[in-house]
Amino acid sequence: DAGVIQSPRHEVTEMGQEVTLRCKPISGHDYLFWYRQTMMRGLELLIYFNNNVPIDDSGMPEDRFSAKMPNASFSTLKIQPSEPRDSAVYFCASSFLTGSYEQYFGPGTRLTVT
Amino acid sequence: EDQVTQSPEALRLQEGESSSLNCSYTVSGLRGLFWYRQDPGKGPEFLFTLYSAGEEKEKERLKATLTKKESFLHITAPKPEDSATYLCAVLSGSARQLTFGSGTQLTVLP
Repeated sequence: DAGVIQSPRHEVTEMGQEVTLRCKPISGHDYLFWYRQTMMRGLELLIYFNNNVPIDDSGMPEDRFSAKMPNASFSTLKIQPSEPRDSAVYFCASSFLTGSYEQYFGPGTRLTVT
Repeated sequence: EDQVTQSPEALRLQEGESSSLNCSYTVSGLRGLFWYRQDPGKGPEFLFTLYSAGEEKEKERLKATLTKKESFLHITAPKPEDSATYLCAVLSGSARQLTFGSGTQLTVLP
């Protein structure tokens, strides 16, 4: 398996623009997680899905953030409009419903908002 | 609210100098404690899961242990390629989400 795939790997955009981050989880995994990592706050959970349904979005910082999972193999995280304080590395992770619960992370998308 | 504290924040070792990283936690009903390794520019890579006090897991030069209040990641005779940030996370109660610590940045000098 290729692991969790994220795109783009790097994104530079101007304040006010819409940003869409993409994730393909590991085939067969039924949980998908979106995290944000910064030096100041570390790794923060934004939202997670089970079987394509959002379960907990309490970590989403503002209404400017939205996430969707239209099918088992694809998810998006959208920021509209983007702000400089959204600059961070965004990770997607996936895991199985049962078993040892470990999550497998993608390589991340480094977002810079100027 | 679950809390995870890792210490030290940074650790510099000479190659071959064994040491331990600490992860102390406060949770309601621990279901699992996880160790991850993160290299610069990459996502966290899963290392171990520990489920109950007294449990130990080993992988090459790494050994993870768990008590009711903390976990240790012991590094025996480290090599420069062990340099990375090591993250600890807990899964509690009925949650599916992990709570991560802030990590320990390990540097092993040749």
